[in-house]
Amino acid sequence: QLVLTQSPSASASLGASVKLTCTLSSGHSSYAIAWHQQQPEKGPRYLMKLNSDGSHSKGDGIPDRFSGSSSGAERYLTISSLQSEDEADYYCQTWGTGTLWVFGGGTKLTVL
Amino acid sequence: EVQLVESGGGLVQPGRSLRLSCAASGFTFDDYAMHWVRQAPGKGLEWVSGISWNSGSIGYADSVKGRFTISRDNAKNSLYLQMNSLRAEDMALYYCAKGTKDNAFDIWGQGTMVTVSS
Repeated sequence: QLVLTQSPSASASLGASVKLTCTLSSGHSSYAIAWHQQQPEKGPRYLMKLNSDGSHSKGDGIPDRFSGSSSGAERYLTISSLQSEDEADYYCQTWGTGTLWVFGGGTKLTVL
Repeated sequence: EVQLVESGGGLVQPGRSLRLSCAASGFTFDDYAMHWVRQAPGKGLEWVSGISWNSGSIGYADSVKGRFTISRDNAKNSLYLQMNSLRAEDMALYYCAKGTKDNAFDIWGQGTMVTVSS
C-alpha cells in the first residue's frame, strides 16, 4: 500500500535552516513526490516536484531558499534562512499506478 | 493570471446531494488533468477524485467511490464534483487542483466549504 509518512511537527529558529522528511512506504522507494506549503487560513501552494535521484523542479516564484533532496525512500524539503512566513503546514504528495494520489499527514513547522 | 475558483459549497443534511464547481482561467484547461482534494477541519489533505484532460481516465478515493462523480466541461473551462449520499465525514473544505504533465498538482484554488449536518 502506497503511504507517505511525515513527522507531525518541526521547529527551527528565524534565520536558521530546517529539513523536513517524507518517507515512502516499503516497495515505493523509487517514487517521485511533490511538496506543498499551506500557510494558516490559506489554500495549499505547490513548492516542487522531487525525484528519487534528488533532482527537482520548483513551482513558479518559489524562492531559492527552498530545496529538495532524496535518499532511498526518504524525500526531504530543506528551507534555509527561515522567515516568519515559512511557518506553515508542509505536505508531501505522490501518485500510484492508475488513478491514485496520496498525501502525507503533513508537518506543522513553527518558526521560533 | 492562472486561477481556480471553487463554488457550490454550503450546508446540507446527511443523505442529501451537492454539486461543486471549479472555474479555471489563465491556462489551457483541456491540456491538463484536474483533481478535487478535501481538508476536514483541523485535518490534513485528502485526495478525493481526479479526471484526465479528455475525461478518459477517472479515479476516486475509496472513501467516496460510488457516491461522488467527477466531470469536466472543457468548452466551459470548468470542473465539477457531484456529491450524493453525503455523510458527516464528508464535511470539509474542498479544493480544486490542476495536475501537471508529470502528476503533481501545481495550482490550487481557495476552496469551498461543505458542511453536512442536520
